[in-house]
Amino acid sequence: DGGITQSPKYLFRKEGQNVTLSCEQNLNHDAMYWYRQDPGQGLRLIYYSQIVNDFQKGDIAEGYSVSREKKESFPLTVTSAQKNPTAFYLCASSIGQPHSNQPQHFGDGTRLSIL
Amino acid sequence: AQSVTQPDIHITVSEGASLELRCNYSYGATPYLFWYVQSPGQGLQLLLKYFSGDTLVQGIKGFEAEFKRSQSSFNLRKPSVHWSDAAEYFCAVGGGSTLGRLYFGRGTQLTVWP
Repeated sequence: DGGITQSPKYLFRKEGQNVTLSCEQNLNHDAMYWYRQDPGQGLRLIYYSQIVNDFQKGDIAEGYSVSREKKESFPLTVTSAQKNPTAFYLCASSIGQPHSNQPQHFGDGTRLSIL
Repeated sequence: AQSVTQPDIHITVSEGASLELRCNYSYGATPYLFWYVQSPGQGLQLLLKYFSGDTLVQGIKGFEAEFKRSQSSFNLRKPSVHWSDAAEYFCAVGGGSTLGRLYFGRGTQLTVWP
């Protein structure tokens, strides 16, 4: 079955450490997205990528970094510069341009907590 | 600027009652509109979408939504709620000028009483 796989489901970080969240899709989608979800705040866009080797900052990119070396993969690194990283992180993908009327498909998320 | 407002943070209904979740959007051109549902600790599942044509769209799980351009609204409805519908619901807007980005509302938490 095609879909989006996020791993791990739960992740713990010590203060001062960088951690990387994995997102893999086998839907052959060009576009991929990372969101952060906090209670009562909906989904806020961190980074997105419309095509391999290209990505753009979203609304809350500070303290995060990404790479898009392969079409299937869009890992997110939460750096030590992110002062409040505890949150639920969601990865999504979509067919991409010019089909902007197509929906995004979501993974099951990674919950990151600070020890 | 694009934005979505979901005025109701939390709604409680009895099982079997009808449901309407409100969504208002701001977008300068023809919007693409989506409703998603999220169960606790899970990702988002698409319920339905609108981008052109009939303004009343049908989705999965017996949900429907109506696009009203004059009111900038895209409200989600279900005639009879089941206990399994308890979840958080998100409305989102995108369009040709957003390059694939979606703008999400803050969500409405639905509680269903037996």
